[in-house]
Amino acid sequence: GENVEQHPSTLSVQEGDSAVIKCTYSDSASNYFPWYKQELGKGPQLIIDIRSNVGEKKDQRIAVTLNKTAKHFSLHITETQPEDSAVYFCAVNSNSGYALNFGKGTSLLVTP
Amino acid sequence: EPEVTQTPSHQVTQMGQEVILRCVPISNHLYFYWYRQILGQKVEFLVSFYNNEISEKSEIFDDQFSVERPDGSNFTLKIRSTKLEDSAMYFCASREQGVTGELFFGEGSRLTVL
Repeated sequence: GENVEQHPSTLSVQEGDSAVIKCTYSDSASNYFPWYKQELGKGPQLIIDIRSNVGEKKDQRIAVTLNKTAKHFSLHITETQPEDSAVYFCAVNSNSGYALNFGKGTSLLVTP
Repeated sequence: EPEVTQTPSHQVTQMGQEVILRCVPISNHLYFYWYRQILGQKVEFLVSFYNNEISEKSEIFDDQFSVERPDGSNFTLKIRSTKLEDSAMYFCASREQGVTGELFFGEGSRLTVL
């Protein structure tokens, strides 16, 4: 499937700092780029997504930026809080569009 | 708020046994999915299902796996002869649109193969 690389695998920040997670993908035809948050023992939950006709999207403390030329997109969390601690996955839609292929995840820890 | 529900939450089985994992997708959704997540690893796509047929499947989804929508509400994943490496969390998901709609995940079914 679509090759999705995600970095870093772990990220530790102080409460109030910003966190940035980056993903790259290989298929230039991909046009949908969601970010999911997974809390312990739960299924992934969508937090923000972006489509290829947009370069940036913001929702309160969360933003996603997309560079289609370079084939990478990033998640930005500002003013982090302890409840932001979770595993974050980027994803990209497949060639057919039906499937979402996920990155390996970033374990974010926000310390008070 | 509508949600995807999965049963059982945890199943323990012996190697070689058949397992059926059940899901009730959100009622107005048309696209259904199974993903799996081996402990501590990424979420891996298994199969997508639309209009009563498989629309896409991954290399993981071999002949040991099958999916079915036996009635208007349930969506099942069957593993015919389980292997140790099938131990994982299996997530069902559904979406209203096929390509760029939000994918809603269930809480998962943990499968342990002994």
